[in-house]
Amino acid sequence: NAGVTQTPKFQVLKTGQSMTLQCAQDMNHNSMYWYRQDPGMGLRLIYYSASEGTTDKGEVPNGYNVSRLNKREFSLRLESAAPSQTSVYFCASIYGTGGLVSNQPQHFGDGTRLSIL
Amino acid sequence: AQSVTQPDIHITVSEGASLELRCNYSYGATPYLFWYVQSPGQGLQLLLKYFSGDTLVQGIKGFEAEFKRSQSSFNLRKPSVHWSDAAEYFCAATDTGTASKLTFGTGTRLQVTL
Repeated sequence: NAGVTQTPKFQVLKTGQSMTLQCAQDMNHNSMYWYRQDPGMGLRLIYYSASEGTTDKGEVPNGYNVSRLNKREFSLRLESAAPSQTSVYFCASIYGTGGLVSNQPQHFGDGTRLSIL
Repeated sequence: AQSVTQPDIHITVSEGASLELRCNYSYGATPYLFWYVQSPGQGLQLLLKYFSGDTLVQGIKGFEAEFKRSQSSFNLRKPSVHWSDAAEYFCAATDTGTASKLTFGTGTRLQVTL
């Protein structure tokens, strides 16, 4: 059971390039999340998908788009990368959806380390 | 605005000593509370969680946390630290509404000296 799988693990981009970060979970979870982690700032929510077919903005959505491709997969896209988007990106998932979600812990992937020059 | 505060950026303890990591939250109502641990280059692993009931919760790896409503705190403790506990620890909270949008503290990095 792999849990939450993120690809790639590392990536270096040039300013203005585009890229899609992939996330897949094999736990039949309904809700999925994308966070970014920056030194001294903890993790901040970028976007989330409470259920298949829905997506919503989190705390720091600017410069990103997401796609909930199916129940397993939730991708994060940078259309025109900027140095300020250099960060470690984490995907997470929870089984529940709607009002049943909040009391369940999130399961995290190992992260994608993204550098933008 | 909802927030989670971890006042200690970095803590150093000797192996075998006790540990307490502080966490304070600011929410309109009592949130659900979590502690996660992150080893270098890894994702986050859940240590324990508080939803309701007994205010002292037990987690994995010998950790426990105590919820104190009067102090808006959820401090993490361990009676005797092992060198393998060196990591970064995050306190997080979510309100009791939908979608479980976690708010994280900025983390406390724990160093263990032998």
